[in-house]
Amino acid sequence: NAGVTQTPKFRVLKTGQSMTLLCAQDMNHEYMYWYRQDPGMGLRLIHYSVGEGTTAKGEVPDGYNVSRLKKQNFLLGLESAAPSQTSVYFCASSPPGTVNYGYTFGSGTRLTVV
Amino acid sequence: AQKVTQAQTEISVVEKEDVTLDCVYETRDTTYYLFWYKQPPSGELVFLIRRNSFDEQNEISGRYSWNFQKSTSSFNFTITASQVVDSAVYFCALSASGGYNKLIFGAGTRLAVHP
Repeated sequence: NAGVTQTPKFRVLKTGQSMTLLCAQDMNHEYMYWYRQDPGMGLRLIHYSVGEGTTAKGEVPDGYNVSRLKKQNFLLGLESAAPSQTSVYFCASSPPGTVNYGYTFGSGTRLTVV
Repeated sequence: AQKVTQAQTEISVVEKEDVTLDCVYETRDTTYYLFWYKQPPSGELVFLIRRNSFDEQNEISGRYSWNFQKSTSSFNFTITASQVVDSAVYFCALSASGGYNKLIFGAGTRLAVHP
């Protein structure tokens, strides 16, 4: 089925460990996004990409890095995990243009940092 | 600055009651899009509706209806005859034109429908 696939779905990290979350989409969308969801705060944009090889900071980028080496993949990295990064992470993609046709979201990654 | 406010943190109703979820947004753009998403206990985000700023018609889809009022910058969501399956967190979101379709979410409203 076409869509956005996030891996892994669950992960527990120790403080200071590193990891990479993978987001893959097969809809040929130009735009991709990483959000984090925390209780009472909705979803907040971490980083986004408007095309292969491009990335930009969102609202809460500190402590994260991203890469978009291939159009279909958008990677989110945590170099040194902190308990404050315990969250649910969602990836999304959308086609480009002045008309916003909407988004496709992944199913989320639940990350716990202990 | 752009902002979405969902002032209701939690709402609790009994089945068959009608319930309205409020959403107030702020943007200086004349072209923008508003969305509602449902997040059931399973955690995924379910798209409910998309509305652009030039279309102020209210919309009804089954038990769901949306009231878009530009004059008050509101995009409220009403569930008629609520059911237990409506229990979820509901998010209102805004995307302004020219912003690479970045979505700005409200904090969400948790709806609990009791039998």
